[in-house]
Amino acid sequence: EAQVTQNPRYLITVTGKKLTVTCSQNMNHEYMSWYRQDPGLGLRQIYYSMNVEVTDKGDVPEGYKVSRKEKRNFPLILESPSPNQTSLYFCASSLGHSVLAFGSGTRLTVV
Amino acid sequence: QKEVEQNSGPLSVPEGAIASLNCTYSDRGSQSFFWYRQYSGKSPELIMSIYSNGDKEDGRFTAQLNKASQYVSLLIRDSQPSDSATYLCAVNSNFGNEKLTFGTGTRLTIIP
Repeated sequence: EAQVTQNPRYLITVTGKKLTVTCSQNMNHEYMSWYRQDPGLGLRQIYYSMNVEVTDKGDVPEGYKVSRKEKRNFPLILESPSPNQTSLYFCASSLGHSVLAFGSGTRLTVV
Repeated sequence: QKEVEQNSGPLSVPEGAIASLNCTYSDRGSQSFFWYRQYSGKSPELIMSIYSNGDKEDGRFTAQLNKASQYVSLLIRDSQPSDSATYLCAVNSNFGNEKLTFGTGTRLTIIP
């Protein structure tokens, strides 16, 4: 089954404790991206990757890192999480024409 | 001014009626337009894409695009309770980048 898989689905952590949210797709898509969704603000792009080893900032990259060592994986790294990073995170991939397929989401709470 | 604007709702429509959702965007160079449906606690799922002026129909859904007026709309005919969800309008304004800019969504409730 073609899908984008994110883990974990839910995560509660403390301020400053490094964490990684994993994202994997099995559709051989070149383009992958991360979004966060907050009430009243909608979905906002954090980072994107056009291909392996090619990543770039989206609209809200502060406090986040990404890497793209393999085509299928695009992890999101929070080196020192803060409470304002409490949000719902979605990974997405696209084969082209901006048609995005989203993962099931990760609800992160930073206390 | 927000790049993509939607009425947040909630929009309540009786079952069997037509639901009309509207979206305006600010970048005249935008090329691609999408409607995503998002159920509470779930991820967005694509229901319609439209790239040129006019109407595009897919089953009970019709997307309408007017680039001169910078608006895109979604009509849902014969609304069903299962259509109750938040509908997200998304626009691609960056040639060569797959990035989508999303509106904040319109919450639609179909009343049985």
